[in-house]
Amino acid sequence: DGGITQSPKYLFRKEGQNVTLSCEQNLNHDAMYWYRQDPGQGLRLIYYSQIVNDFQKGDIAEGYSVSREKKESFPLTVTSAQKNPTAFYLCATADATNEKLFFGSGTQLSVL
Amino acid sequence: LAKTTQPISMDSYEGQEVNITCSHNNIATNDYITWYQQFPSQGPRFIIQGYKTKVTNEVASLFIPADRKSSTLSLPRVSLSDTAVYYCLVGSYSGAGSYQLTFGKGTKLSVIP
Repeated sequence: DGGITQSPKYLFRKEGQNVTLSCEQNLNHDAMYWYRQDPGQGLRLIYYSQIVNDFQKGDIAEGYSVSREKKESFPLTVTSAQKNPTAFYLCATADATNEKLFFGSGTQLSVL
Repeated sequence: LAKTTQPISMDSYEGQEVNITCSHNNIATNDYITWYQQFPSQGPRFIIQGYKTKVTNEVASLFIPADRKSSTLSLPRVSLSDTAVYYCLVGSYSGAGSYQLTFGKGTKLSVIP
């Protein structure tokens, strides 16, 4: 969506490599989320952050790491410990009520 | 954690009204119910949000009974472009006490000409 930028759109990872997915927002939202979506499946929560310098594990955090040093940015690193990283990754922010999500256009990650 | 349950799939002919029901038995007192639409390889898009009774906007209506344990998204006169996956979403608190938004599996709606 207009206020959330995810990059790159497509990303390839080699075995044993860490890769970082970018998520930037200009909506001035405090809360940010990372979801993973496998083909034909729903969205699963990886990590989320309600405020700068704080983040929480979601349902499938193993093999991933995040940071929240700035309000505008919430990068996701897919580490080599994530053995099945091929998926569509979506970043989202939540408005002040924390009930409405705004999504980026996603990053498709594939393993070479 | 609050969980949502929806039918996995639904089929409808063009021009018909479609109703998709979501069960959320453990919804918290102050939680809203939000519905999203997702097309392949895109992020979900907000459709409608409500707390109780009925909410209507230009694309859908949302019906929420008094006990709020379920909700029904109503799409009037669907067209082929409404073929998508529809998710209902309610918030929940994790074991650590932080608020999070967790999706269910969604309902795949197929509109038939």
